[in-house]
Amino acid sequence: EPEVTQTPSHQVTQMGQEVILRCVPISNHLYFYWYRQILGQKVEFLVSFYNNEISEKSEIFDDQFSVERPDGSNFTLKIRSTKLEDSAMYFCASSLGTGVGSYEQYFGPGTRLTVT
Amino acid sequence: GNSVTQMEGPVTLSEEAFLTINCTYTATGYPSLFWYVQYPGEGLQLLLKATKADDKGSNKGFEATYRKETTSFHLEKGSVQVSDSAVYFCALNGANNLFFGTGTRLTVIP
Repeated sequence: EPEVTQTPSHQVTQMGQEVILRCVPISNHLYFYWYRQILGQKVEFLVSFYNNEISEKSEIFDDQFSVERPDGSNFTLKIRSTKLEDSAMYFCASSLGTGVGSYEQYFGPGTRLTVT
Repeated sequence: GNSVTQMEGPVTLSEEAFLTINCTYTATGYPSLFWYVQYPGEGLQLLLKATKADDKGSNKGFEATYRKETTSFHLEKGSVQVSDSAVYFCALNGANNLFFGTGTRLTVIP
């Protein structure tokens, strides 16, 4: 069964450093998403991406964040200058569409980011 | 705006006990509602869904009914197993994203 994969599973970085979290969505999916979960808090939407552009983003997704689909398979989230409060589990997801019947989002196992 | 409020955890049950995890929501419009499950070391998996009022979603013995009058989507299972130990997330869909609750950790002991 196809699945979303994410690398690395755990990333430790120092405050101020740039990090890139990588995701490989399901191959025939067209919509891609990033979510995060700070320990003990809700899973929060960051950004959705379709047709090589951002379709929606939350207020969390500020200028420090960017997303890219550099080739036909990868979908990346970059944080330019990490802060302590960026420490969280980051989930990538993909879906075939956004209409009823095609909107199921398939999630990866997550990348735990720890900023020290 | 859209939000989901979920029963606080953790929940510990003995095998074969009855499970209820409460979920209520606020939403603009008529969202679809979901329960996702996360087993240890894995990603979020869709457990069940309901797309309109009075729909019942079901899967693997779990059920939830979309109640518009009480804005609820409570998850139930009649007899839990050790293998059901996981974190359960209630969610609703926005235009391009999902709104999640905080998750409820369920531990089932033999």
